[in-house]
Amino acid sequence: AQSVSQHNHHVILSEAASLELGCNYSYGGTVNLFWYVQYPGQHLQLLLKYFSGDPLVKGIKGFEAEFIKSKFSFNLRKPSVQWSDTAEYFCAVISSGGGADGLTFGKGTHLIIQP
Amino acid sequence: NAGVTQTPKFRILKIGQSMTLQCTQDMNHNYMYWYRQDPGMGLKLIYYSVGAGITDKGEVPNGYNVSRSTTEDFPLRLELAAPSQTSVYFCASRWGRGSSTDTQYFGPGTRLTVL
Repeated sequence: AQSVSQHNHHVILSEAASLELGCNYSYGGTVNLFWYVQYPGQHLQLLLKYFSGDPLVKGIKGFEAEFIKSKFSFNLRKPSVQWSDTAEYFCAVISSGGGADGLTFGKGTHLIIQP
Repeated sequence: NAGVTQTPKFRILKIGQSMTLQCTQDMNHNYMYWYRQDPGMGLKLIYYSVGAGITDKGEVPNGYNVSRSTTEDFPLRLELAAPSQTSVYFCASRWGRGSSTDTQYFGPGTRLTVL
């Protein structure tokens, strides 16, 4: 069975600080990886995804993530955060076998950006 | 496109009552999903469907039922509501058909409280 671990449940940063949110997954086969964001009162939106090729993927709003296969990690980064980045961030994984599986999510990281 | 829509947005039930959470997508997606989100626990898969007439259990199906009579609709039914079903419920859909790289699109959620 797949599992996803997000290291930090709550992160508080000041505006312009750099951000890195950790994500590790456990799965015996190949996977596709996703980061979703949930702004207060809104539904989940895709930030970025990795399925093959360049392990450094760029997403919306200046976010990027790096897939390190040897470490089973897919950490999310942003060089300079803004107050509007305050949200809940979820890392998710799905088997790349093409089945109908749903996503397996981590427990989420609640990010608060202080002005 | 409206994407994935869910009704109602909020609902309070008494123990033992039943209700149906509605989910509709207008993207002609084959695969549809129901997740529940509990505080600090991420999202967990309840049921999913790969097409009209085909459904299957996810990680936490007990206490729920689903049906998929059309491509667009995927209602979730609670027959005997229990306090443990207090949660936020998200419906999602994706194209599917042998690809796991496509994005899952989420609805705005239904916040259910069982008292």
